[in-house]
Amino acid sequence: KQEVTQIPAALSVPEGENLVLNCSFTDSAIYNLQWFRQDPGKGLTSLLLIQSSQREQTSGRLNASLDKSSGRSTLYIAASQPGDSATYLCAQGGGQGNLIFGKGTKLSVKP
Amino acid sequence: DVKVTQSSRYLVKRTGEKVFLECVQDMDHENMFWYRQDPGLGLRLIYFSYDVKMKEKGDIPEGYSVSREKKERFSLILESASTNQTSMYLCASSYDLYTDTQYFGPGTRLTVL
Repeated sequence: KQEVTQIPAALSVPEGENLVLNCSFTDSAIYNLQWFRQDPGKGLTSLLLIQSSQREQTSGRLNASLDKSSGRSTLYIAASQPGDSATYLCAQGGGQGNLIFGKGTKLSVKP
Repeated sequence: DVKVTQSSRYLVKRTGEKVFLECVQDMDHENMFWYRQDPGLGLRLIYFSYDVKMKEKGDIPEGYSVSREKKERFSLILESASTNQTSMYLCASSYDLYTDTQYFGPGTRLTVL
């Protein structure tokens, strides 16, 4: 069974810190790996999508990497801000075109 | 910008009622999805559709059905609502199943009493 795990479940950091969120997946035959952000009570917003042939993607202060051989992806957030506080979800693109989600990391950035 | 809208933000229904959740996307996307999100369980796929009138079961289809009569609209139907279907329901759409991200609606918080 395909599984996606995110550790830690929650993280609290002071403003300005650089931080890394971790995601691991069990199926090396992935099509893509995606990172989303979810604010409380809201839908998901796509942050980055890494195709299986790529190693990383960058958008502003965000950088996501993909290592299929080890079954890991990381989301790096530079110079964190209070507005970055949210739950971050990673999702593996599976063979049927579906997404398999991790349970998320709840990030709190303190001013 | 892609826009995915859901018919209600909050919905309260009684056990045994038939419930319709509607989702509309405005980007001519081929694929549409219904998920439910529960604390401790994360997002789980209920059904998805890759074309009009086509549907595929996800991980937890029991107790649900779907309808896609038009490309832009995907409905989730709870034939006889039960309390264990109290959840946040999220709709999403995408252009390509394997290379495109999914765009999510704001969600419907359904409570079944």
